[in-house]
Amino acid sequence: EAGVAQSPRYKIIEKRQSVAFWCNPISGHATLYWYQQILGQGPKLLIQFQNNGVVDDSQLPKDRFSAERLKGVDSTLKIQPAKLEDSAVYLCASSLERGASYEQYFGPGTRLTVT
Amino acid sequence: QKEVEQNSGPLSVPEGAIASLNCTYSDRVSQSFFWYRQYSGKSPELIMSIYSNGDKEDGRFTAQLNKASQYVSLLIRDSQPSDSATYLCAVKGLGSGGYQKVTFGTGTKLQVIP
Repeated sequence: EAGVAQSPRYKIIEKRQSVAFWCNPISGHATLYWYQQILGQGPKLLIQFQNNGVVDDSQLPKDRFSAERLKGVDSTLKIQPAKLEDSAVYLCASSLERGASYEQYFGPGTRLTVT
Repeated sequence: QKEVEQNSGPLSVPEGAIASLNCTYSDRVSQSFFWYRQYSGKSPELIMSIYSNGDKEDGRFTAQLNKASQYVSLLIRDSQPSDSATYLCAVKGLGSGGYQKVTFGTGTKLQVIP
């Protein structure tokens, strides 16, 4: 079974530029998450999708971040314009809701550096 | 009060010893609990999940849950240098909109000394 795929793996941009990240979850996983992880901190949820609907985007800086999950499969996270403080690893995860289980499986992440 | 709290460490243990990692959570109705391991520069990897009070063992790993005390722990027996990583505690509960929400702690860094 293929894992969560993400691209690109690394990205370096200047502040005020835009950037987009792509995620393809594990086949059949209805729930998809985007996390931001700053060095030394735990993952912070940015947005959670259930199929192609948004369940939680309360911590998404909506003035600059946007995300979509068309057709309930893969997803794109965009930052426009980027700020220095957006430098972080952006993790995508997916889960299969089954009973009480809510185990999340993470992709390799995209390391973003904003200069 | 943070929703999920962990001591950031580092926790240093000698090779072969038992490493004990602890996590407390604030939402009393939390339902499911997870431990993830994250090597430096890598993404989190699920190692254990536990749903009911008591112990759950998987190889060298034992997860312990005490819902009354709102406490979950991870024991690693016969610690190896390859266990050196950051261990993230994650807790599933209900978000404000009635959906399932998972909250991560900041992680405990474990160093196993050869």
